[in-house]
Amino acid sequence: KNEVEQSPQNLTAQEGEFITINCSYSVGISALHWLQQHPGGGIVSLFMLSSGKKKHGRLIATINIQEKHSSLHITASHPRDSAVYICAAPRLLYSGGGADGLTFGKGTHLIIQP
Amino acid sequence: NAGVTQTPKFQVLKTGQSMTLQCAQDMNHEYMSWYRQDPGMGLRLIHYSVGAGITDQGEVPNGYNVSRSTTEDFPLRLLSAAPSQTSVYFCASSYGEGRYEQYFGPGTRLTVT
Repeated sequence: KNEVEQSPQNLTAQEGEFITINCSYSVGISALHWLQQHPGGGIVSLFMLSSGKKKHGRLIATINIQEKHSSLHITASHPRDSAVYICAAPRLLYSGGGADGLTFGKGTHLIIQP
Repeated sequence: NAGVTQTPKFQVLKTGQSMTLQCAQDMNHEYMSWYRQDPGMGLRLIHYSVGAGITDQGEVPNGYNVSRSTTEDFPLRLLSAAPSQTSVYFCASSYGEGRYEQYFGPGTRLTVT
């Protein structure tokens, strides 16, 4: 079973700050997901990545497969970025493949103050 | 495209009652899954389906039943509701299992008293 750990659990920052959220997982995977959930809202997929780096606007996600670690960065943070950010990895049935669904981290509650 | 839709958005049940949470997608995705989200626990997989007529258990299947008669629909049935099933339920779909982008429904908030 793949274990997914996120840090920090809670993060409060000032508008404009550079934000980093970290995710580590226990089993080698083919892809890692970053998701966003606003209070009382649904879940939106931000990134799915298997190597290197991806960028969407002010959001950047990186992954290091060898170290089993991924980071989500937010540049020039804004109050509308306040949300829960969740990383997730394939829920492996057995070594070598056979994933069913995702295993989720517990989320990082981000608050950006104006 | 409507994407993934769920009904109802809110539901209150009494212990022992049964109900069905509806999920539908219009993206012709083969893979659909149900998750529950509880405070401090993260999302957990209840049941999933890799295509019409094929379902399997996830991490926390007890007390829930599913069927997949069409590609579009994947209902979740609570057989005899218990307070421990108070949660927010999300349905998701994708072209495949965890290695493909997942599309989530808006969620159903269920309270069992």
